[in-house]
This record gives sequence, C-alpha cells and structure tokens, in this order.
Amino acid sequence: QKEVEQNSGPLSVPEGAIASLNCTYSDRGSQSFFWYRQYSGKSPELIMSIYSNGDKEDGRFTAQLNKASQYVSLLIRDSQPSDSATYLCAVTFGSARQLTFGSGTQLTVLP
Amino acid sequence: EAQVTQNPRYLITVTGKKLTVTCSQNMNHEYMSWYRQDPGLGLRQIYYSMNVEVTDKGDVPEGYKVSRKEKRNFPLILESPSPNQTSLYFCASSFRTHYDQPQHFGDGTRLSIL
Repeated sequence: QKEVEQNSGPLSVPEGAIASLNCTYSDRGSQSFFWYRQYSGKSPELIMSIYSNGDKEDGRFTAQLNKASQYVSLLIRDSQPSDSATYLCAVTFGSARQLTFGSGTQLTVLP
Repeated sequence: EAQVTQNPRYLITVTGKKLTVTCSQNMNHEYMSWYRQDPGLGLRQIYYSMNVEVTDKGDVPEGYKVSRKEKRNFPLILESPSPNQTSLYFCASSFRTHYDQPQHFGDGTRLSIL
C-alpha cells in the first residue's frame, strides 16, 4: 500500500529561522522523491528533487534523504514570509513509478 | 514558453451533463497525469499516461475517462458528473527517463457540480 505521511501542521516559524519539514513513506523500493510548494489556489511548483541518500542543497533549501529509515526532509534556512505556503512531499511507487503525494504541511513564516 | 495548459479554468455545471477538461503540453513530454485536490486529502492521481495510446488508472479513477491520441494532449472526461466530483483538478506532465523527472503542473481547473 502506498503511503506518504506528512505532519499537516500548521508549522509557524519566525522570519530568519530554519523551518524543518518531514515526510515518511511506506515503500522501501521507492527511488524518486520531490518537494513541491503550493500557494493557496495555485498549482504545485517544484522546490527540490532527490534520488540518493544524503543531503542536496539548492540556495536556502536542503533536502535530506534516508532510504533505510524511509524518510525525506526539507530544511528552509533564513525563512522569509514569502515561504509561507503548503509544502507537498511526493514519492514514486512501484514498477509504473506512480507519483503519490502526502497531504502537505502548511508553513507560516511570521515577520 | 514551456507550459501545461488546462481549459477551462473554472466551470460550474449540473449533475449528469457530460464535460471535458482539456490538457495540452508543449514540452514533448511522454508522461501525463491528472490529479484532483480536495481539502485534507492532498493530491490524488486519477489517471496517467506513459505515452500515446497508453493509459492507466491512478488511485481514484471512478467516474472519469481519459484518452491519449496525441502526445501533447490528455483530456479528462466526466461522462455523468456528480457532486462528489466537485474539486480542483490539475494536469501534469514530465519526461520519462531512468530517473523520474519532476512533473510540471497546469494552473488547475476548479469544477463545481451542482
């Protein structure tokens, strides 16, 4: 059974702080992992993709993958009010590599 | 400009009146997919297509049909819409390579079925 679990939040952090978002998934064979950001009423936009264990950094964003523990996380450094959005974790499952989304974590960055 | 285009963006209609939501991409992507998004349930996949004439059910296919006659188009058909299909719908596309490529999303279609 495909499951992608995220804390729904809301998560509030002060401006300039580090926001930490977590995601766990059920299939040990999953190979591809994505973080999307979605503003209210808008379409999801890709923040990060990660395929191998370890950290991947892109600007203020760092994705961390641990396949043994079946979790993937997203760190946002120096959080800005414009980072306030819902963050969606997505994982591919099965031979068809079907993409499954978590229900999202709502992040609010307080000025 | 590389994009996924959905039409219409908004539609209010009545139960039982057949409707089609169109989706077109100009990036030569093999993979296309439809999702619906409901509060508290996240994005759920309805149907997907790995290439022309190849479609398969996602997690919530009941009440929907799709076709993939051309690479760029992937319409979503509701033959007899019902109120429980009121939702926000997204079309997405990506390349198919050894590593899964990120999906590009359209702007969404908000459907209200009365």
